[in-house]
Amino acid sequence: GAVVSQHPSWVICKSGTSVKIECRSLDFQATTMFWYRQFPKQSLMLMATSNEGSKATYEQGVEKDKFLINHASLTLSTLTVTSAHPEDSSFYICSAGLVGGSTDTQYFGPGTRLTVL
Amino acid sequence: DAKTTQPPSMDCAEGRAANLPCNHSTISGNEYVYWYRQIHSQGPQYIIHGLKNNETNEMASLIITEDRKSSTLILPHATLRDTAVYYCIVRVAGGNKLVFGAGTILRVKS
Repeated sequence: GAVVSQHPSWVICKSGTSVKIECRSLDFQATTMFWYRQFPKQSLMLMATSNEGSKATYEQGVEKDKFLINHASLTLSTLTVTSAHPEDSSFYICSAGLVGGSTDTQYFGPGTRLTVL
Repeated sequence: DAKTTQPPSMDCAEGRAANLPCNHSTISGNEYVYWYRQIHSQGPQYIIHGLKNNETNEMASLIITEDRKSSTLILPHATLRDTAVYYCIVRVAGGNKLVFGAGTILRVKS
């Protein structure tokens, strides 16, 4: 149980194009999903918190017009990198929160490797 | 959320127990201790979490000191596949974000 998938697992695109990454909770519903970014040899950095049916909350320094997040259902959140540039090349990882007992646990997807040429 | 301190790296012999320490001296009464690990080029994997009591599951055991200022993750019989970065994270329950530190690189050697 508690499986989160991401698609695509890797993508290469040209500078200036937009790329959409999907995050799905396969066997549970998640009212809250999170998007992280990880550069080589660094830790994960939270980009935004995505709540089903409402606007995402972005972390300081993350451009909301560049990283569009949509959480249209309880099992799907999407991250669109608009007008991608080489500096956006990174490992993008989503997580979904599963509530159980007195707390909740985040389960992570396998990540999407984005390379912008 | 309280900050955690972990050693940057540790080595462990295959088949032996791996004991990974974490210091969280400023933890609040309603904050949980979570452990995740990240194998190279994969998303983090949830391992275990606890509030006050020691916890055990099929992957690991979590030992939390009585004053809750530190904890230890125990992998009872480490294998080469346990080589990963292990993150100790403290956070309040209820959908709050996870803040990842640098973690501990665990190298299991044959």
